[in-house]
Amino acid sequence: GESVGLHLPTLSVQEGDNSIINCAYSNSASDYFIWYKQESGKGPQFIIDIRSNMDKRQGQRVTVLLNKTVKHLSLQIAATQPGDSAVYFCAESPYNQGGKLIFGQGTELSVKP
Amino acid sequence: GAVVSQHPSWVICKSGTSVKIECRSLDFQATTMFWYRQFPKQSLMLMATSNEGSKATYEQGVEKDKFLINHASLTLSTLTVTSAHPEDSSFYICSAIRGGQFFGPGTRLTVL
Repeated sequence: GESVGLHLPTLSVQEGDNSIINCAYSNSASDYFIWYKQESGKGPQFIIDIRSNMDKRQGQRVTVLLNKTVKHLSLQIAATQPGDSAVYFCAESPYNQGGKLIFGQGTELSVKP
Repeated sequence: GAVVSQHPSWVICKSGTSVKIECRSLDFQATTMFWYRQFPKQSLMLMATSNEGSKATYEQGVEKDKFLINHASLTLSTLTVTSAHPEDSSFYICSAIRGGQFFGPGTRLTVL
């Protein structure tokens, strides 16, 4: 289930299940969105991105959905594996700000074997 | 893919000293790099945009005299934390643009 900790929401899933991680973004002028995975003590790693002229994009085992009406982004991970355990951040890039990224609060995904 | 490195990966220093962190783009040139800080269990907070050959652009609330940024070449940006204090202890992460943003592995700073 999903719970909110002191700082980071957490999501706990069973290995093999699908995971859905949600994110609300703040700037209606943002036209580019990215999901990053961050393992403990490491820098963020690119997972998948989507531009504002799309509402869905699929990668390998991952899908990103964008709902501009409610400023909502989600990351779906199919057949979640223990190696997927990490913190996941969405980031938005406001239009015409030189590629600057604004990060969401993050969700800690824990995969139980 | 685009590789970004940081040095050192971790550093411990005494209060009042200055610490320099390097960010390098290893296989590409980056006119723009970004510096973030991240506290435990929190998100990345953008500190400043580092522009090669010009002054850095700092985010609101970030002291430019405290966090000195120098982007002297197309592959190197440095962040110097001056007169460090324990509250500066954090995980500092840089990124560089090559199409999208590619992140370094981070530098853990501990100020005693």
